[in-house]
Amino acid sequence: KAGVTQTPRYLIKTRGQQVTLSCSPISGHRSVSWYQQTPGQGLQFLFEYFSETQRNKGNFPGRFSGRQFSNSRSEMNVSTLELGDSALYLCASSWWTSGAENTDTQYFGPGTRLTVL
Amino acid sequence: DAKTTQPPSMDCAEGRAANLPCNHSTISGNEYVYWYRQIHSQGPQYIIHGLKNNETNEMASLIITEDRKSSTLILPHATLRDTAVYYCIVRFHRGSGNTGKLIFGQGTTLQVKP
Repeated sequence: KAGVTQTPRYLIKTRGQQVTLSCSPISGHRSVSWYQQTPGQGLQFLFEYFSETQRNKGNFPGRFSGRQFSNSRSEMNVSTLELGDSALYLCASSWWTSGAENTDTQYFGPGTRLTVL
Repeated sequence: DAKTTQPPSMDCAEGRAANLPCNHSTISGNEYVYWYRQIHSQGPQYIIHGLKNNETNEMASLIITEDRKSSTLILPHATLRDTAVYYCIVRFHRGSGNTGKLIFGQGTTLQVKP
């Protein structure tokens, strides 16, 4: 079974631009979460989606947004990019569904490396 | 803040067992212990998880103390490819109002040496 895929793998943008990152979960997984990893802050939770609904959001400004489609694929968008948004953006998917709390292991994709110049 | 404490770094000789400790003294009764590892610039890789009992899979063993306040991840025969940052995370599974977010600490950098 294919793992979590993320596109693009590398991206270079300039300040003020916006960017959209894509995540395809493992087949059959309906829950998708996003994380940001920087050298200074480590791995931080951005948001999670299940059944096209955002279920939880981390402590990030409104410039960070996301969505999930009916096929469970997810996108995240960062508008008005700042230098500090340079990071590895990671997507994780899970088989979790309501009523099946023992199936909540999250599997990560390879990440998208975003560089803001 | 992360609810776990791990040593920042450890060394292990290739072929020997690597024992990575984790303290989680404030763990709740329904919180699971999860281990992930991250090889440089790659996405975190799931290793193993457990609730109360010791667990073993093809990658590692997880030993949880009886009071659940600490655990040890054991890589039985470490190889150079096991060099990575290892994260110990305690979390609820989703449901009953719990979220799925993982809270990562700084982890333990394991260096496997020839």
